[in-house]
Amino acid sequence: DAGITQSPRHKVTETGTPVTLRCHQTENHRYMYWYRQDPGHGLRLIHYSYGVKDTDKGEVSDGYSVSRSKTEDFLLTLESATSSQTSVYFCAISEGRGLARGGELFFGEGSRLTVL
Amino acid sequence: QQPVQSPQAVILREGEDAVINCSSSKALYSVHWYRQKHGEAPVFLMILLKGGEQKGHEKISASFNEKKQQSSLYLTASQLSYSGTYFCGTEAETDDKIIFGKGTRLHILP
Repeated sequence: DAGITQSPRHKVTETGTPVTLRCHQTENHRYMYWYRQDPGHGLRLIHYSYGVKDTDKGEVSDGYSVSRSKTEDFLLTLESATSSQTSVYFCAISEGRGLARGGELFFGEGSRLTVL
Repeated sequence: QQPVQSPQAVILREGEDAVINCSSSKALYSVHWYRQKHGEAPVFLMILLKGGEQKGHEKISASFNEKKQQSSLYLTASQLSYSGTYFCGTEAETDDKIIFGKGTRLHILP
């Protein structure tokens, strides 16, 4: 199994508080992704990273920021959490090749966030 | 833009076959297929690249029509363990984001 861990696995917070989710990998993979999963919407891409300090927006990036200061860590921050951000968040990694295309994703176990 | 999956849900009896389809409005570089069981993370099944290269599990087959930007996942002689939600993910030629469809729920009856 790919070495990828997410923390925390469960979190309950209140509206307006900041929240940071961490994704840590031991595979030295280039690509890292954050997805959210909600009933009826499947997996939606929030942000992704193609290298240290190289990030880009996904489909639903509003209200989220990310940082990647080391290859192994990709942080997702909700600056001021809202109830609409209650979701299960999955981190994924991909080795990529060449121009870093076409690699399969390995997913973390997910982080369940509830915003009251 | 999310790829479109069909059908949304399928109920089969063990041993029957199923086909799950995925289509995109963008020119694609690759199509991914994943299966997710309830309460678990998605698991990689197969990737199909433009140009014909494929990688995946031996018991899973899929096709990629590059002209139509469509892919199909073929599940033959289904087993109870095949139950779950299947997602296709697409990677466009013009960027390296992997965008997923809304999923197809597959339920296998004994």
